[in-house]
Amino acid sequence: GNSVTQMEGPVTLSEEAFLTINCTYTATGYPSLFWYVQYPGEGLQLLLKATKADDKGSNKGFEATYRKETTSFHLEKGSVQVSDSAVYFCALSDGTGGFKTIFGAGTRLFVKA
Amino acid sequence: DGGITQSPKYLFRKEGQNVTLSCEQNLNHDAMYWYRQDPGQGLRLIYYSQIVNDFQKGDIAEGYSVSREKKESFPLTVTSAQKNPTAFYLCASSIAAGRVNEQFFGPGTRLTVL
Repeated sequence: GNSVTQMEGPVTLSEEAFLTINCTYTATGYPSLFWYVQYPGEGLQLLLKATKADDKGSNKGFEATYRKETTSFHLEKGSVQVSDSAVYFCALSDGTGGFKTIFGAGTRLFVKA
Repeated sequence: DGGITQSPKYLFRKEGQNVTLSCEQNLNHDAMYWYRQDPGQGLRLIYYSQIVNDFQKGDIAEGYSVSREKKESFPLTVTSAQKNPTAFYLCASSIAAGRVNEQFFGPGTRLTVL
């Protein structure tokens, strides 16, 4: 079945550092890939998405490229801010199984001033 | 503004009592979902519904029940059979068409059973 694996946290960085959060997936078809972000005490919100191979999703300085050959969708940001501290979830959907989305376990990011 | 509302934000109940969590959306989405999130954990799917008057069990449905009588509403009841109900509950919705299934989430309800 489909699955998503992302790097364990927490990840602790200083402000303005470069961020990478690794995400790999297993899927039988051609899924769409997503990154969601959850700020403390809130629900998840979509950060970015990519719907086909080699697509790059981007938003608020974050980027991720859909790599079919390595089944990966790593999240990157060139210079993190304290306000980026949150939990980040990688996810996939392929339109099957009742339109369910498969989520990774989440990676907590702490950014220090 | 379109979105998903969940109420209440915090809920306290005594052990052995049933409790119902509200979820309403005005996005005109067909599909709705309930997830449970425990501290430091990812999301676990409880129930989902693709259309009015139909719903399916997710990965951890035991001790929970749902109804979908209206497109906009998908309430979740946590019954006394749920052994460890204290958690953060998230409701979500999506268009339910095609493989680009972007989900929209509510702000969550934190349930504490005393």
